Parts: sequence; C-alpha cells; structure tokens
Amino acid sequence: GESVGLHLPTLSVQEGDNSIINCAYSNSASDYFIWYKQESGKGPQFIIDIRSNMDKRQGQRVTVLLNKTVKHLSLQIAATQPGDSAVYFCAENINDYKLSFGAGTTVTVRA
Amino acid sequence: DVKVTQSSRYLVKRTGEKVFLECVQDMDHENMFWYRQDPGLGLRLIYFSYDVKMKEKGDIPEGYSVSREKKERFSLILESASTNQTSMYLCASSLLPPRGTGNEQFFGPGTRLTVL
Repeated sequence: GESVGLHLPTLSVQEGDNSIINCAYSNSASDYFIWYKQESGKGPQFIIDIRSNMDKRQGQRVTVLLNKTVKHLSLQIAATQPGDSAVYFCAENINDYKLSFGAGTTVTVRA
Repeated sequence: DVKVTQSSRYLVKRTGEKVFLECVQDMDHENMFWYRQDPGLGLRLIYFSYDVKMKEKGDIPEGYSVSREKKERFSLILESASTNQTSMYLCASSLLPPRGTGNEQFFGPGTRLTVL
C-alpha cells in the first residue's frame, strides 16, 4: 500500500549546526505535505507545509524541499537549538481528509 | 489560540472494561480525528468525522467506535479494552480537508492509556 517513511529514525546534531531530516513518500498523487514536531509529552505541532506545485517553502529557521521526481521531502532546520530536540514527522494527504504519517525521526541536539 | 483538549493525560483500565476518551476543540472545525501512536509505527488513523453525526473508518478501526453528537466533541470508545490497545491516543481537528489552504490538523496533548 501507499506509505510515507523517514530515512533515519534518529539524528544527532551539534547545537548551532544545520539539521536535515528526510522523508520518502510513495503516493505520486499526493499534492500536500506537512511537517510536524512532537516534543516529549505533547501532541504533534504543525511546523510547515508545502503543496506539490512548489519545490521549496521557507519559514522561520525552517525550509521544506519537495522533489517530486524522486518522491522525496526534506526539512532543514537552520542553526539548530536545544529546543529543536523532538520527534519530527512528515505527513502526506492521501485523500480529501486523511493524512498518512511517517514513523518519525528523533532529533537530539548536543550542547 | 487554537485548542484541542483531551479528557485525560493518563488512564489505566482493566481488560474488558469499556473506555471513553473525550476530545474537545474550540475552533469550530468540521473535521476531527482519532489516532493511536506506537513506537516505530508513527500515527495510525482509527476514525475520523467530517461533520456532526458523520464518521468514517480509518486504517485500524477494529475494537473501537466513535461518537460525534456535537461539532466540538469527538469521543473514542473502546467497547471492551484489551492489552493490545495500550497506546498513546491523539485527537486532532482541522478546518478544511487537507487539499485546502491553511488546513493542517491541530493535535491535542494525547492520552496515554494502559490496559492491564
């Protein structure tokens, strides 16, 4: 079946460095993607989204890149801070209502 | 501020008990969702509702039912709890279907349910 997956379950990054979190998706018909951040003990929080008619979208310290040719999505975090330590999920819409989530990447920021 | 609340943060129940998990949103959203979250499996959709009294099965509806009597409230029911339903349960709501603009799902803090 269709699925969304993240390349690596864990990522360790030095404070101040840039982080890149990757996600592969398999549904070529998906036209909307979201990145969520989930801190310990909390529900997922929206970070940034992107539609399939775009290749790149920037937010505050975050950039999402979409490569439809290879069905790949990435989240870049600039100047990673301790508060960025969390689990990050990508999600794709698979019909008008449903989102399909990846298993998540745990990001740990080293001081 | 957007807010989704869940009735309990932690819940411990016994096998065979009937369990109610409540979710309330104050954003006048049409759509509401129930997920379970397990290590290594991400978020899996149990049920969702796109309007009052309307419900649709998600990917793993077995052993669960839902109720949406009012727009702001979406309840998840475990008719007879089993140990394999021990999990984190997350409720979410959204204003529009995902294909619209600014229509991300907003999540509650989660309920960690343990079934003994």
